[in-house]
Amino acid sequence: QVQLQESGPGLVKPSETLSLTCAVSGYSISSGYYWGWIRQPPGKGLEWIGSIYHSGSTYYNPSLKSRVTISVDTSKNQFSLKLSSVTAADTAVYYCAREEVGARYFDYWGQGTLVTVSS
Amino acid sequence: SYVLTQPPSVSVAPGKTARITCGGNNIGSKSVHWYQQKPGQAPVLVIYYDSDRPSGIPERFSGSNSGNTATLTISRVEAGDEADYYCQVWDSSSDHQVFGGGTKLTVL
Repeated sequence: QVQLQESGPGLVKPSETLSLTCAVSGYSISSGYYWGWIRQPPGKGLEWIGSIYHSGSTYYNPSLKSRVTISVDTSKNQFSLKLSSVTAADTAVYYCAREEVGARYFDYWGQGTLVTVSS
Repeated sequence: SYVLTQPPSVSVAPGKTARITCGGNNIGSKSVHWYQQKPGQAPVLVIYYDSDRPSGIPERFSGSNSGNTATLTISRVEAGDEADYYCQVWDSSSDHQVFGGGTKLTVL
């Protein structure tokens, strides 16, 4: 069974960089699939942040592209998100998910982690 | 950029049929996927490729997609179906994911 688990600080100061890691078990990242990050501000809908292919190719939400970096570490079977210059508007539950290659749907999700941006 | 439009809310009585729409320009030419999200939980894929169901999803959940509207249909609605539902497509023209705004399904 594929499982994903997000980890990282739950509190980040404004203007600093948010860093999260998604550990994958039950499937080898290097075997394929895309791997994505999605966030959900409190009481709001889902927003795609970006995705990375196992080879390292990336796709980012245009509205966040200037601040986002997604990377993959196949040796640790995990992938990571960095979001720079955060503001209160970046406060959200952050999810990582596996993304099917063909039609690009998200078939496995992590439980999500709440990141609050506050001084 | 591509936009998906969902009604904010849909209400249905138990045992009846709920239909949740997802509108987009020529969405029938894209593959549409649907997620169910209950409070405090991660989204769960309930329909992919317009109308396929992942294993473990009841047959009561079905999907269709044509023209400018995709529809998630939930038959014989149960109290446990009360949740937020999101549609999603991959916009290949811009290489990015698009989610609808979500629909809150209330079981009366």
